[in-house]
Amino acid sequence: EVQLVESGGGVVKPGGSLRVSCAASGFTFRKAWLNWVRQAPGKGLEWVGRIKTETDSGTTDYAAPVTGRFTISRDDSKNILYLQMDSLKSDDTAVYFCATEGLGSQGAFDYWGQGTLVTVSS
Amino acid sequence: SYDLTQPPSVSVSPGQTARITCSGNLLSKEYVHWYQQKSGQVPLLIIYKDTERPSGVPERFSGSSSGTTVTLAISGVLAEDEGDYYCLSTDSSGSHQVFGGGTRLTVL
Repeated sequence: EVQLVESGGGVVKPGGSLRVSCAASGFTFRKAWLNWVRQAPGKGLEWVGRIKTETDSGTTDYAAPVTGRFTISRDDSKNILYLQMDSLKSDDTAVYFCATEGLGSQGAFDYWGQGTLVTVSS
Repeated sequence: SYDLTQPPSVSVSPGQTARITCSGNLLSKEYVHWYQQKSGQVPLLIIYKDTERPSGVPERFSGSSSGTTVTLAISGVLAEDEGDYYCLSTDSSGSHQVFGGGTRLTVL
């Protein structure tokens, strides 16, 4: 059974940094493209970014609002996905979900974690 | 930036067919995937590649595509189908994913 468990959310001041993690199990982690998606309170889903597999050069892509501030990485030896968030703004307040891409459905985000809440507030 | 347009809300009576559209100028070339999100829950994939249904998703959910508009249809709507529905696709580079703004389905 595929499981994704996010952790590391919390309250951080504007301009601060936070790293959230996503522990994965139930599939071959090193072969999976992985995404971060966020959802601000009462708002819709917003794609944050993606990391491809080492085989695909580990390429990362980011949405415009987070480019230059957020960094996605992965540890294939531990089956963990990371999202490093720097220079945080109040607009970054959201639940952050990790999601697999295309495990069983080409191009779609097919499995999701339960999310971790990040609150940026002074 | 690339945008996908969805109606903010759709309302139907139980047993009727609900149709939710997603429009974008690349949708004649790029696939769309659909998600259902009930209140307080994690998004659930219900349609991928415009028309494919993952195992376990009821047959009353279906997808279709025509030009630059993709449609999610829910036939024989049940009260439990209430929630928010989002489309997802990719931009012309294939490097950036985009969600539609979401549609709130209300079952009257």
